[in-house]
Amino acid sequence: ETGVTQTPRHLVMGMTNKKSLKCEQHLGHNAMYWYKQSAKKPLELMFVYSLEERVENNSVPSRFSPECPNSSHLFLHLHTLQPEDSALYLCASSRSGDSGYTFGSGTRLTVV
Amino acid sequence: DQQVKQNSPSLSVQEGRISILNCDYTNSMFDYFLWYKKYPAEGPTFLISISSIKDKNEDGRFTVFLNKSAKHLSLHIVPSQPGDSAVYFCAASAGNNDMRFGAGTRLTVKP
Repeated sequence: ETGVTQTPRHLVMGMTNKKSLKCEQHLGHNAMYWYKQSAKKPLELMFVYSLEERVENNSVPSRFSPECPNSSHLFLHLHTLQPEDSALYLCASSRSGDSGYTFGSGTRLTVV
Repeated sequence: DQQVKQNSPSLSVQEGRISILNCDYTNSMFDYFLWYKKYPAEGPTFLISISSIKDKNEDGRFTVFLNKSAKHLSLHIVPSQPGDSAVYFCAASAGNNDMRFGAGTRLTVKP
């Protein structure tokens, strides 16, 4: 148990579906992150929430929509995804300004 | 742009020998560097870190070296063990909530 829990572990969705990824931490951290890991590419930072406020990331397509209802929970809402969005989506948390991150196990997403 | 680069996608070493994983960065504002280790089906776990005020940090079999002038850091594992086989990610931070990762190096330690 890493302290950061992601559900589901695996998700297969069609391009017209709407789904959500969930991340939960009870480490007392106040910053949460979504990362995308594609094969043979660096981890890509998608979104940052610090003290429940979102840091904009303009390079992420609008078909990805994050939500942070409180400091312990983070969601990534998905709609009308493309096959190239298939990847491992990792959630992480930290104390704001602290560079040590704790990662979840990730959600393996396949878009068909 | 790729501010943190791990140019070797894979590395294979014999058990008991030294493993050296390399990482280069381009952003001179980075002041904190980390190595993460990732097993299949698990998220990355923190391994070791170094602040830019140091050039070496050691923790058991793991040592990280930082060469600021060359914008280069390396992770040494001595002696390497089969359980060290994993993907190793180099990461760098400029002290804000934005950590940049390399693409990872897959280390295989052969018995």
